[in-house]
Amino acid sequence: NAGVTQTPKFQVLKTGQSMTLQCAQDMNHEYMSWYRQDPGMGLRLIHYSVGAGITDQGEVPNGYNVSRSTTEDFPLRLLSAAPSQTSVYFCASAPDRGRTEAFFGQGTRLTVV
Amino acid sequence: GQNIDQPTEMTATEGAIVQINCTYQTSGFNGLFWYQQHAGEAPTFLSYNVLDGLEEKGRFSSFLSRSKGYSYLLLKELQMKDSASYLCAVIPLPGAGSYQLTFGKGTKLSVIP
Repeated sequence: NAGVTQTPKFQVLKTGQSMTLQCAQDMNHEYMSWYRQDPGMGLRLIHYSVGAGITDQGEVPNGYNVSRSTTEDFPLRLLSAAPSQTSVYFCASAPDRGRTEAFFGQGTRLTVV
Repeated sequence: GQNIDQPTEMTATEGAIVQINCTYQTSGFNGLFWYQQHAGEAPTFLSYNVLDGLEEKGRFSSFLSRSKGYSYLLLKELQMKDSASYLCAVIPLPGAGSYQLTFGKGTKLSVIP
């Protein structure tokens, strides 16, 4: 099993550019989420999904969009990148509503210049 | 909401025992997780406490006291490879909104020879 796969691993964007961070899992997990991790801030929830077609906002959703058309995929879109979005992004999935461990992807290190 | 506090950094000696504390102020939660994160890598699951008491897994143990709003992770026979950040996280009660993890800022543990 590949687990949770994120692409790309590294990305540099110019301010105002758009891009999509990809996340795919092959464990048939219903729950998927996106976090950002900044120095001194810990992991903060951006958006999450409890199943295909269902998404909701987390703690820091502004500037990001998500969709969940399939169980496997949960892409994160930055519509107009800003330097404040420079961060490490982690996608995670879990088999149920969180009473078991979450599995994390390897992360995407994004720099916006 | 949830407010989770952990020490920012700790240093311990190889072969020793170290206790990493996590205190929280929350209106209620389903369980408390500990994750390990090596520099530049994804978080990985260590333990999950639902009931008060101690859960032991080899060299790692985790303790929870709901009445005191307190948890700790105990690492025995420290090894150099245990140098990492340790993240405390809670999952909310059923029906309490987001079914996703809320993380503390993490404790960076350095193991020295």
